[in-house]
Amino acid sequence: NAGVTQTPKFQVLKTGQSMTLQCAQDMNHEYMSWYRQDPGMGLRLIHYSVGAGITDQGEVPNGYNVSRSTTEDFPLRLLSAAPSQTSVYFCASRIFPDSFEQYFGPGTRLTVT
Amino acid sequence: DQQVKQNSPSLSVQEGRISILNCDYTNSMFDYFLWYKKYPAEGPTFLISISSIKDKNEDGRFTVFLNKSAKHLSLHIVPSQPGDSAVYFCAASPSDAGNNRKLIWGLGTSLAVNP
Repeated sequence: NAGVTQTPKFQVLKTGQSMTLQCAQDMNHEYMSWYRQDPGMGLRLIHYSVGAGITDQGEVPNGYNVSRSTTEDFPLRLLSAAPSQTSVYFCASRIFPDSFEQYFGPGTRLTVT
Repeated sequence: DQQVKQNSPSLSVQEGRISILNCDYTNSMFDYFLWYKKYPAEGPTFLISISSIKDKNEDGRFTVFLNKSAKHLSLHIVPSQPGDSAVYFCAASPSDAGNNRKLIWGLGTSLAVNP
């Protein structure tokens, strides 16, 4: 049981490039979410999904796209990277709707130059 | 506007003593609170939670206390161990969020337990 996995662990992008951060979980959790963590800002919700085919925006969705075609996978796409998107990105999952306890992946550290 | 506030960015305690981490909130609709622990280069891991219908929840060395009238909760770690050195996040969930129950996070408190 791997829990929540994220790839890559580190990534450097140039401004304007696009990329996809991968997230997968093997716990059959319906709820998955993406956060970014920045110094002095805590964890901020980017997008979330309550099941395959259902996604919604969080606090800071601009510049990011998500889709959820399977229960297991929830990729986060950066459409045109900007330096303001330099951050650590965490994917999380939980049982929905009965639990608040989220399981986090190890994070992806992204730098946009 | 921070709805969940952890006013101490850092805390240092001696091994074996009690660590007390504090969290204040402003939204009276919060009815479920969680503490997460985060080590460097890892994702946060769930530690302990409390529902607003309780004022205390214990799990081994960890106890969370909730004072609803003061909109304050605290995490007690007794006895503190060097492996407890981490960043601790307080998070809260509003009851009016329906089934989507997003978590509102504090900024974290960095705990250092010195041998």
